[in-house]
Amino acid sequence: SQQGEEDPQALSIQEGENATMNCSYKTSINNLQWYRQNSGRGLVHLILIRSNEREKHSGRLRVTLDTSKKSSSLLITASRAADTASYFCATGLRDYKLSFGAGTTVTVRA
Amino acid sequence: GAVVSQHPSRVICKSGTSVKIECRSLDFQATTMFWYRQFPKKSLMLMATSNEGSKATYEQGVEKDKFLINHASLTLSTLTVTSAHPEDSSFYICSAYSTSYSYEQYFGPGTRLTVT
Repeated sequence: SQQGEEDPQALSIQEGENATMNCSYKTSINNLQWYRQNSGRGLVHLILIRSNEREKHSGRLRVTLDTSKKSSSLLITASRAADTASYFCATGLRDYKLSFGAGTTVTVRA
Repeated sequence: GAVVSQHPSRVICKSGTSVKIECRSLDFQATTMFWYRQFPKKSLMLMATSNEGSKATYEQGVEKDKFLINHASLTLSTLTVTSAHPEDSSFYICSAYSTSYSYEQYFGPGTRLTVT
């Protein structure tokens, strides 16, 4: 079953602006991961944050995790047209399964 | 990073026929492979977990006889959609996982199935 809920469902920003999306989940997790999916394509792994971590960076990506609030955020700084995609959070459970959120569709306007 | 391939990338079949989709881990041995289904503009729904040499574990609501999964080796899992119907049309994505690669799952590019 889907555990993650993402907010907003869709986001449209100007190139160069930052994009922030949030993910909330319901049960205890082992880790939380963010993925990107271009239309009609497979998923690309962006970043993994473990349950004992609070913040992680990778290039223009910044992920935070608040286990007390059961929420995570993904920030994309200085967005580019190539960042246009759907972004999914996925909670990693003990048996290595992933439970995906509904996704946020990001459109970066040139 | 690790590469996972899927074949075919697109398939159109007639109602009542069966379709086989292959998922291969190209440069690592996958302890486990997962099969997901994705409807347009929706999230991925886990269908089943496939472990090499053992029976697949299906998620609640997924018909075992409808979606046959075979994990013959550490680099190959197949999903066969039997007696396909138009409602089976969807985007099917596999992922591969290895205990050698921390918690990361590597996803295939997906297979678009259209049943007419």
